[in-house]
Amino acid sequence: DQQVKQNSPSLSVQEGRISILNCDYTNSMFDYFLWYKKYPAEGPTFLISISSIKDKNEDGRFTVFLNKSAKHLSLHIVPSQPGDSAVYFCAAVAGGTSYGKLTFGQGTILTVHP
Amino acid sequence: SQTIHQWPATLVQPVGSPLSLECTVEGTSNPNLYWYRQAAGRGLQLLFYSIGIDQISSEVPQNLSASRPQDRQFILSSKKLLLSDSGFYLCAWSVGGGAREGQFFGPGTRLTVL
Repeated sequence: DQQVKQNSPSLSVQEGRISILNCDYTNSMFDYFLWYKKYPAEGPTFLISISSIKDKNEDGRFTVFLNKSAKHLSLHIVPSQPGDSAVYFCAAVAGGTSYGKLTFGQGTILTVHP
Repeated sequence: SQTIHQWPATLVQPVGSPLSLECTVEGTSNPNLYWYRQAAGRGLQLLFYSIGIDQISSEVPQNLSASRPQDRQFILSSKKLLLSDSGFYLCAWSVGGGAREGQFFGPGTRLTVL
């Protein structure tokens, strides 16, 4: 049972344009969501997070949107840069904080072309 | 500051051979520790997590085991490797109470079973 799904295995975007990565979840107990970025042969690194009490969180070029009624979140990267090319994982946790086990999506490979 | 180490970085082992991957965390006390596997083209699958010394929870039935002999040491083992054990193994830690970043990941070990 895949409780966190990233239905797009890959996304290709031109440099300077917007990248939109999507994530859906089924468990209504999830109330904290995170995005991680992963380069090949490296561990994931934290990018941005959002609590379910918010519907938007912004950090520089990265914005995460949460639609609780649709159980959907998205990561927007504007403007996209070639260095953003990586695998992006969304993750979710229940309990109000990031403490505890994270449930990850399958990941989306983002390629930003110069 | 906290750091997490994993070794070896890459490993090629024959089917039926034993396995021992080690992870250590520095700069924090009593962390939660996690082992994940990323199989080719797949997401991050949680294998084990630990909330303290000798306290290990297994998330999926498998050919692997984990141990935590010291507070900041987490070991992933197998007595006899299978071809399906190939993958990228990640160790992670988190703080009690949670942090904005969720979990912090090590650099990973690429295991190839031939």
